[in-house]
Amino acid sequence: DAGITQSPRHKVTETGTPVTLRCHQTENHRYMYWYRQDPGHGLRLIHYSYGVKDTDKGEVSDGYSVSRSKTEDFLLTLESATSSQTSVYFCAISGSPQATYGYTFGSGTRLTVV
Amino acid sequence: GQQLNQSPQSMFIQEGEDVSMNCTSSSIFNTWLWYKQEPGEGPVLLIALYKAGELTSNGRLTAQFGITRKDSFLNISASIPSDVGIYFCAGLTGNTGKLIFGQGTTLQVKP
Repeated sequence: DAGITQSPRHKVTETGTPVTLRCHQTENHRYMYWYRQDPGHGLRLIHYSYGVKDTDKGEVSDGYSVSRSKTEDFLLTLESATSSQTSVYFCAISGSPQATYGYTFGSGTRLTVV
Repeated sequence: GQQLNQSPQSMFIQEGEDVSMNCTSSSIFNTWLWYKQEPGEGPVLLIALYKAGELTSNGRLTAQFGITRKDSFLNISASIPSDVGIYFCAGLTGNTGKLIFGQGTTLQVKP
């Protein structure tokens, strides 16, 4: 087990409510990423972090924010959930800036916005 | 933005058959990676390729990094039921550490 956990694993929320997903790692890796997975789109990068308090946007960042106050935790917040944000969310970690050996992924959070 | 086109989107094959899938891009990549995702889990790295022309095997899996650095393919020989899942290619450019993923190939194997 690579030491990366996501919580919750499943969540149903109402439109307009804020939602926070948590990614926790025990590998002391500097680089962390949030992706969403949707049929026909593969995995798309939402936000990423290259260190504590250092974050940047990915290709589908609208409606999402992130925070990283500790190396081990990377939080993804949906400020006001919409039905289009119904998806499976994956967190990933990497020990190198070039992600030379790829990322290690968590098991995902399935979010349904009703 | 950069895109990876992965094909086919899905495959339904008989156990024992060989499988081939590929990924192409209009951009050059420095690294190509192949992942497998099983239901309810995150993707798991199968093979990593670092040089143009490189051919790498992992058991029954073989992957190649295209000479042009714009494509890669994955072959699975003698498929078995546990090969079922979604296979993703991913490309890495520059020094950003950000992976770009293909749309995925869903593989189903009939015993």
